[in-house]
Amino acid sequence: DAKTTQPNSMESNEEEPVHLPCNHSTISGTDYIHWYRQLPSQGPEYVIHGLTSNVNNRMASLAIAEDRKSSTLILHRATLRDAAVYYCILRPGSGSARQLTFGSGTQLTVLP
Amino acid sequence: GAVVSQHPSWVICKSGTSVKIECRSLDFQATTMFWYRQFPKQSLMLMATSNEGSKATYEQGVEKDKFLINHASLTLSTLTVTSAHPEDSSFYICSARREGWTGELFFGEGSRLTVL
Repeated sequence: DAKTTQPNSMESNEEEPVHLPCNHSTISGTDYIHWYRQLPSQGPEYVIHGLTSNVNNRMASLAIAEDRKSSTLILHRATLRDAAVYYCILRPGSGSARQLTFGSGTQLTVLP
Repeated sequence: GAVVSQHPSWVICKSGTSVKIECRSLDFQATTMFWYRQFPKQSLMLMATSNEGSKATYEQGVEKDKFLINHASLTLSTLTVTSAHPEDSSFYICSARREGWTGELFFGEGSRLTVL
């Protein structure tokens, strides 16, 4: 499986935007970029995913580099409830029932 | 939205006993479910892939006789930790793949097992 690299931790102030980076230099052409987050003592929660184009949903935005070797998860206004571990994961393309392989993720701390 | 539920959310048992954890997809059919284990301050590690009506596929290093997985219906998979020992204490999480999968995996709330 292609690997992803994320910073171990990041801090943000409440109500400010947060940009969480992810490097995936060995991504293949059919790999989707997924982001999940995990709050303490809970299962992971889906945030967003994309293939080539930038994506927006109610939770976040995903900016994908033109060469797809990196991506950035953008939380537009961080709240205290956004404090979690954020995982950037590559999922093999269509027709695959492959599981998601989790890396170490980024621990986001939101300061009041 | 799709919901995956685990039960129990936490369990404490004595060493040597067996514990069963259930994973249910509440509003969709899941032909494939995955079981993960997570130790404190570590990431999720895939244990096995559970396919409805067939044997589970275990990841390298996971003992299939110790971690029994049954996926007897399209909405239920169970993980039984047999003869549990303190080193089996962990956070167990299941996830389910929805038919016509668009990409998103749905995760349960997790089950915390403590073996005394």
